Amino acid sequence: KNEVEQSPQNLTAQEGEFITINCSYSVGISALHWLQQHPGGGIVSLFMLSSGKKKHGRLIATINIQEKHSSLHITASHPRDSAVYICAVATQGGSEKLVFGKGMKLTVNP
Amino acid sequence: EPEVTQTPSHQVTQMGQEVILRCVPISNHLYFYWYRQILGQKVEFLVSFYNNEISEKSEIFDDQFSVERPDGSNFTLKIRSTKLEDSAMYFCASSFNRGTSYTFGSGTRLTVV
Repeated sequence: KNEVEQSPQNLTAQEGEFITINCSYSVGISALHWLQQHPGGGIVSLFMLSSGKKKHGRLIATINIQEKHSSLHITASHPRDSAVYICAVATQGGSEKLVFGKGMKLTVNP
Repeated sequence: EPEVTQTPSHQVTQMGQEVILRCVPISNHLYFYWYRQILGQKVEFLVSFYNNEISEKSEIFDDQFSVERPDGSNFTLKIRSTKLEDSAMYFCASSFNRGTSYTFGSGTRLTVV
């Protein structure tokens, strides 16, 4: 069983739509990261959070530690938001590594 | 904004050859990492490096792999004798401290033929 699960695996939306990407994890964590991977392959860090909610521009990330669940919301989506969105967790117990989900491919059509 | 720089962006090598992938982490960061992503699969942890030594490594990081910080700025990943299954995108990352956010490089696509 994967330690980090993301849903949906693929999503196609129209420009302007509100988008939610979900991440569930099965292990104790010290932090959860949301990352963006563009078609060229590079990875950009969007958020790191261990509780509550963070907002940056049109992106909002929330986490519920008790339910082991996080969501990434995109408001007023735009074609440039098209990318793979990846959830990764830093596990408890002193490990430094990130455990990655498979990612969700988002396509926003004009 | 500070960047993690990786070179080359793409390398093709013959099976059995040695390759060195290079990374320049952000200058005031203390923790360095290598991850890889085989095409179509999720990103996997290889190794973390702190205070000039390996602090954690995965099962993937066997004796064929090594890391080095030769001059205080570069951080390298060496694969001694490449195999076809080493073909992947290799990402370098750095962070200021444990528990802080990562900055990833743009990756090196390694193709072993």
